[in-house]
Amino acid sequence: GENVEQHPSTLSVQEGDSAVIKCTYSDSASNYFPWYKQELGKRPQLIIDIRSNVGEKKDQRIAVTLNKTAKHFSLHITETQPEDSAVYFCAVYRGSNYKLTFGKGTLLTVNP
Amino acid sequence: DGGITQSPKYLFRKEGQNVTLSCEQNLNHDAMYWYRQDPGQGLRLIYYSQIVNDFQKGDIAEGYSVSREKKESFPLTVTSAQKNPTAFYLCASSYGLADTQYFGPGTRLTVL
Repeated sequence: GENVEQHPSTLSVQEGDSAVIKCTYSDSASNYFPWYKQELGKRPQLIIDIRSNVGEKKDQRIAVTLNKTAKHFSLHITETQPEDSAVYFCAVYRGSNYKLTFGKGTLLTVNP
Repeated sequence: DGGITQSPKYLFRKEGQNVTLSCEQNLNHDAMYWYRQDPGQGLRLIYYSQIVNDFQKGDIAEGYSVSREKKESFPLTVTSAQKNPTAFYLCASSYGLADTQYFGPGTRLTVL
């Protein structure tokens, strides 16, 4: 099955700095890559996603880049704020088995 | 994602008892999913349903059962055969299997 590796598992930054989280996947047929943010005890919420026919997507302070050849994609958060503190999960969708496979998450802490 | 509800929010169960978790959505989504989340882990797929009266096993279906008699509802039963059922259970839905999944608020199950 699909194997999704997410790094780092924890990330601490100062307010205003940038944060980058990276995920690698194993199946070259995977074609959809969402990122979810989960605050403590809450539901995961979609923050950005990208499909395999696009290399980069931006939404204000958040961007995702995809390298299909190397089979990795990254979440970039610029000008971080304390409210960005949460666990971030990447996920990979493989159409051949209709499954979304999640990484193990990154705990991001933004220090004021 | 506000159109997906789960109940109860907290559930306590004695060993050997079956328990059913509720998931309802009013988003007119065809596909629904159940995930299990353990501390420090990503989300793992238990069961999914593409359409009414059809469902498929995910990666960790043993000890669980589901039904999909209505488009809006996808209840999950945790049976006594599940060896370690204490976890946070998340329901999700999407228009189709390849579309963005939106999550409910979750049910935290504790086995006493």
